[in-house]
Amino acid sequence: AQSVTQLDSQVPVFEEAPVELRCNYSSSVSVYLFWYVQYPNQGLQLLLKYLSGSTLVKGINGFEAEFNKSQTSFHLMKPSVHISDTAEYFCAVSGDSIKDACNKLTFGGGTRVLVKP
Amino acid sequence: AAGVIQSPRHLIKEKRETATLKCYPIPRHDTVYWYQQGPGQDPQFLISFYEKMQSDKGSIPDRFSAQQFSDYHSELNMSSLELGDSALYFCASSLGVSFGNTIYFGEGSWLTVV
Repeated sequence: AQSVTQLDSQVPVFEEAPVELRCNYSSSVSVYLFWYVQYPNQGLQLLLKYLSGSTLVKGINGFEAEFNKSQTSFHLMKPSVHISDTAEYFCAVSGDSIKDACNKLTFGGGTRVLVKP
Repeated sequence: AAGVIQSPRHLIKEKRETATLKCYPIPRHDTVYWYQQGPGQDPQFLISFYEKMQSDKGSIPDRFSAQQFSDYHSELNMSSLELGDSALYFCASSLGVSFGNTIYFGEGSWLTVV
């Protein structure tokens, strides 16, 4: 079975400062990794995904993430945050397993980012 | 671009009542997923459909049922509602069920059971 751990439940950060959200996963099979953002009272929006190839993935809104297979991590980063980045961020994994009948996502517990002026 | 449409956006029901949520996937998407997000929790996979057939099942209670129709829209039926069913219910869609395909989420339907 797959699992996702987001190490920080809340991350306060000042505007224009960098932010890193940590995500670790466990899986016995190949995985595909995703980061979603959920703004207050809204749905989940895909930020970026890693399927294969370059381990540094660039997404929308200036976010990027680095896949590290040896560390089983997929940390999300942004060099300079804005007030509008205040939201909850979810790391998710889907895996290629015979136990999984189809593509579905397992989410981490989420990290709430609060950007302060 | 068209997104996943869910209705109703908000629903209030009493215990033991029945509720139905509807989901219209992105045009041409043939796969629909349902997720439940409790207060302060991460989304949990309930069930999915591919080409109108159930493709996978997660932690969906027996009191809940779902189906995908010929136009690919899906409905989640919840009966004998309990207070613990209060949650944000997401529908999502993708093109095909291949692992790694991007899953696009709707804005969710808020269900409050009182």
